[in-house]
This record gives sequence, C-alpha cells and structure tokens, in this order.
Amino acid sequence: DIVLTQTTLSSPVTLGQPASISCRSSQSLVHSDGNTYLSWLHQRPGQPPRLLIYKISNRFSGVPDRFSGSGAGTDFTLKINRVEAEDVGVYYCLQATQLITFGQGTRLEI
Amino acid sequence: QVQLQESGPGLVKPSGTLSLTCVVSGGSVSTNHWWSWVRQPPGKGLEWVGEIYHSGTTNYNPSLKSRVTVSLDKSKNQISLELSSVTAADTAIYYCTRAPYYDNYWGQGTLVTVSS
Repeated sequence: DIVLTQTTLSSPVTLGQPASISCRSSQSLVHSDGNTYLSWLHQRPGQPPRLLIYKISNRFSGVPDRFSGSGAGTDFTLKINRVEAEDVGVYYCLQATQLITFGQGTRLEI
Repeated sequence: QVQLQESGPGLVKPSGTLSLTCVVSGGSVSTNHWWSWVRQPPGKGLEWVGEIYHSGTTNYNPSLKSRVTVSLDKSKNQISLELSSVTAADTAIYYCTRAPYYDNYWGQGTLVTVSS
C-alpha cells in the first residue's frame, strides 16, 4: 500500500506571505502509463474537499494562480504564493497511481 | 452541472450493515468515469473507501475490502455503498465523489454514527 506523509506547517501563516506544504510517498507515483497521479485538495470546515491541483502541477478550473504544484517521483510540494484569508483549512495530497490514498492532511491557520 | 446527493440511515447498530446511496443529477453514471466513496471520521482526515466504473469494475481500500461493496444502478442513476460488520470506528461523514484525483464533484456528505 502507498503511504503519503505530509509536513506540518509552522502555524500561523501571515497573510500575504508564501506557504509551502510537502507530501512524500512511500514509493514512486509514476504510473505505467507515464503519468504521475498526485493531486492536492483543500477542505474548509463543514465542506467537502475541492480539487486544486492534479497530475502534480495542473491547476483545476477556477483555481487561483497563486496555487502551484511541483515535484516528481516520491516528493511533491504545494505552494501558495501569497496566502489569503480564504485559504484557511486543511490541505490533502492524494495519489491515484495505485488505488487511492490520501495524506493525513496539513492545517493552514492565519 | 453534475450534482451528487448521499442518503441513508444516520444511525447503525454495531455489527450491522451500513447502506448508503448517492443519486447523481445533471450527468450519467454510465459515462467514462470512476465513482468513489470517501469517508471522514469526525475531526479527522479523509479515507478512500472504494470506487466503481460504469462497466461495474470495482476497487476497494485493502483495509476495508472484506466488508465493502460498491454498486451502480444505471436505471436510477445512482451509486451505492454497503459496509458490513460495522463498529464505532466506522462512524464518519461519507462522501460520494467522481474521480477525486482529476474532477471536482462531491456530495455534501452524510454522517453515519455506529452506536447501540
């Protein structure tokens, strides 16, 4: 089974400052089809999660360009260029290379 | 716009079977997508339960595989979840979602509590 381990943010984050969350996989997420199925989701309290980034670095429709994803193999990063108040909540990485697994989540507080 | 709505009993007795349905509107379960169930214990993180393709092919979380069945009813345009032999550890908000790794369609979730 693939395990995803996320870093903890040093809280709280200052408005307008950057933030970075890491996600490390227990094995390579490169699929046999050549794609890497690593996504990032954001969940606000009381709401279902919403997709931000798919296949490492592709922003989903409507996601602000202050969000970016990078990485390869087993190490991935979500960066928020300038944190805004609406960015509070919990961020999850998700892999779909081998079944589906979520990271444990990283809470962003301001 | 695709919308998903979960429903089912909010309370299930220990050792019983949890049964939920997810009605899909604004789209068809017969399209080329995987439909998943994801759960979230109160105050905790997300856990993938299982998924089904329009062909009926299923995949399950290995830790739940012996107790889970996900099915699809094309005539009703809905997806179903059954989880047997439940314990308090199965208490969670259960979400249905379409391909959460590349899509953004989620139900609002339904809280299921396992208690006598």
